[in-house]
Amino acid sequence: DVKVTQSSRYLVKRTGEKVFLECVQDMDHENMFWYRQDPGLGLRLIYFSYDVKMKEKGDIPEGYSVSREKKERFSLILESASTNQTSMYLCASTAGYENTGELFFGEGSRLTVL
Amino acid sequence: GEDVEQSLFLSVREGDSSVINCTYTDSSSTYLYWYKQEPGAGLQLLTYIFSNMDMKQDQRLTVLLNKKDKHLSLRIADTQTGDSAIYFCAERPTFSGGYNKLIFGAGTRLAVHP
Repeated sequence: DVKVTQSSRYLVKRTGEKVFLECVQDMDHENMFWYRQDPGLGLRLIYFSYDVKMKEKGDIPEGYSVSREKKERFSLILESASTNQTSMYLCASTAGYENTGELFFGEGSRLTVL
Repeated sequence: GEDVEQSLFLSVREGDSSVINCTYTDSSSTYLYWYKQEPGAGLQLLTYIFSNMDMKQDQRLTVLLNKKDKHLSLRIADTQTGDSAIYFCAERPTFSGGYNKLIFGAGTRLAVHP
């Protein structure tokens, strides 16, 4: 069974703290994504990666960075957390181009910044 | 713009049909998707339709695609309480290249009541 695992389901951090959100997939997928989910706004793409050490900004990259040192792992980093980054963060992965484009999602990491 | 639009709420009686509507932006999108998110979980692909199709049926689910109006709908027949969830419409626009960068709507929260 395919699996995308997000290491932390719930986190509470203080303003200014550095936050790491980890995501691991076991499907040997090339592409990995970090989305942010907010009520009424749906899913907004923060960053994606199409290969190891390769990354591209999504629609809302400000305040975030990412790391992909290994194919199966994609990390989202908040260098200095702020209250407006309180949200649900979803990681997803998908195979390369010649497919239906199905994204496989993790269960999400709910981050609260106080 | 690049918005995928869908209404935010739908309430139906158990046993009735539910119809969730969506308008998308890129008439050249190759695939259009419906994802389901149950409480506390990530998104899971429910069904998808290729752009050269008008309709796709899968058990209780019927997807209708009107390319001229860029309108997608999801009909759930005999709606059950287990169908209560958030349903996201998504498109894979041509400008996403080979990376499967989907654009999601805000999600429709379906509430099924007895």
